[in-house]
Amino acid sequence: DSGVTQTPKHLITATGQRVTLRCSPRSGDLSVYWYQQSLDQGLQFLIQYYNGEERAKGNILERFSAQQFPDLHSELNLSSLELGDSALYFCASSNPGQLTDTQYFGPGTRLTVL
Amino acid sequence: AQSVTQLDSHVSVSEGTPVLLRCNYSSSYSPSLFWYVQHPNKGLQLLLKYTSAATLVKGINGFEAEFKKSETSFHLTKPSAHMSDAAEYFCVVSARSGGYNKLIFGAGTRLAVHP
Repeated sequence: DSGVTQTPKHLITATGQRVTLRCSPRSGDLSVYWYQQSLDQGLQFLIQYYNGEERAKGNILERFSAQQFPDLHSELNLSSLELGDSALYFCASSNPGQLTDTQYFGPGTRLTVL
Repeated sequence: AQSVTQLDSHVSVSEGTPVLLRCNYSSSYSPSLFWYVQHPNKGLQLLLKYTSAATLVKGINGFEAEFKKSETSFHLTKPSAHMSDAAEYFCVVSARSGGYNKLIFGAGTRLAVHP
């Protein structure tokens, strides 16, 4: 158990809908990272937040957005969902927040778009 | 631009024999390199990382990797495979693009270990 929690574990929705994925980092970690893992694209880094502010950006679509709240949990919002958004979404956390730090991954949220 | 290539999508070994998972990277500056492992239906776990210190990096569970700048390689090795090593392994390079830092993952190598 990495100490990173993600909810929900599974999510099934329809095209055009909007969903929110939630991540709670390890106690004391200030940085949260989001990743997408799909058969087509493999594992892609989406975005990093550090202590509430965006720090690094990867291949995140404009339809996707994220934020980190004062209690350090983070949410990833996916809107206007398409079939191709079906994937496993991972959250990771680290402290203090450099990309060279060890990142601890949550178990993931599996999103299925029908 | 930075990139990482895992040369084998699947590797199969017998228990007790050596493991070699190959990774080549491309980077315009001295990179940080990582190996992560993903067991079925689990999140990713860091095996080891290279951040410009010793070129031979030792990780968890008996794995190690050697950074070879001349060959732009960061191959992962283990002297003796165990059944529990069966998993998918990702080679990762840190990169900077458009003013942002990010991690770039290889396509993964699925390791099968046979009794």
